[in-house]
Amino acid sequence: EADIYQTPRYLVIGTGKKITLECSQTMGHDKMYWYQQDPGMELHLIHYSYGVNSTEKGDLSSESTVSRIRTEHFPLTLESARPSHTSQYLCASSELGTNTGELFFGEGSRLTVL
Amino acid sequence: DAKTTQPNSMESNEEEPVHLPCNHSTISGTDYIHWYRQLPSQGPEYVIHGLTSNVNNRMASLAIAEDRKSSTLILHRTTLRDAAVYYCILNFGNEKLTFGTGTRLTIIP
Repeated sequence: EADIYQTPRYLVIGTGKKITLECSQTMGHDKMYWYQQDPGMELHLIHYSYGVNSTEKGDLSSESTVSRIRTEHFPLTLESARPSHTSQYLCASSELGTNTGELFFGEGSRLTVL
Repeated sequence: DAKTTQPNSMESNEEEPVHLPCNHSTISGTDYIHWYRQLPSQGPEYVIHGLTSNVNNRMASLAIAEDRKSSTLILHRTTLRDAAVYYCILNFGNEKLTFGTGTRLTIIP
């Protein structure tokens, strides 16, 4: 059973608000990832981290930012939400390099910006 | 990154086996083949992975062609719970899994 948690599961918010999506894992994994997925579409990597104080941009450009101050937490922040940010955001972690280790995903945070 | 090609959708009768194909003709020697699946309204979950040899686990089997240009995920006895999108992914060490559109598997009761 994967021990990776995302909050909130669902969020409806107005344009211009600042939001933070939380992601926590209790497996001690060094590597963490954020993917964005629109309904029925592909997952796109937007951020990843190799460990504390490490953050990298993913393959899809995103206006969101991330931080990695503690191993277990990898929050994603949108300073000013817009309707174009409406999507599902999925957090994942892995212990080894993903060549041999599996990714564990959270259940996702579904964001709707009005 | 090497790309994979999968059928958009497949159907299987409940309690029957299903073979999900994946083509990866540009695979390099160090690419691992990963399979994940995504159930409705959930994040993806790991199914299986391999390099050259066929692999079996409690969820599925992975058959890899001798030239490694294709692979097949085998679900031996499907249930309704196996209805999901199945992703075939290659990774060679950049540690960023790239998900494509996958195969949407429908299970017919």
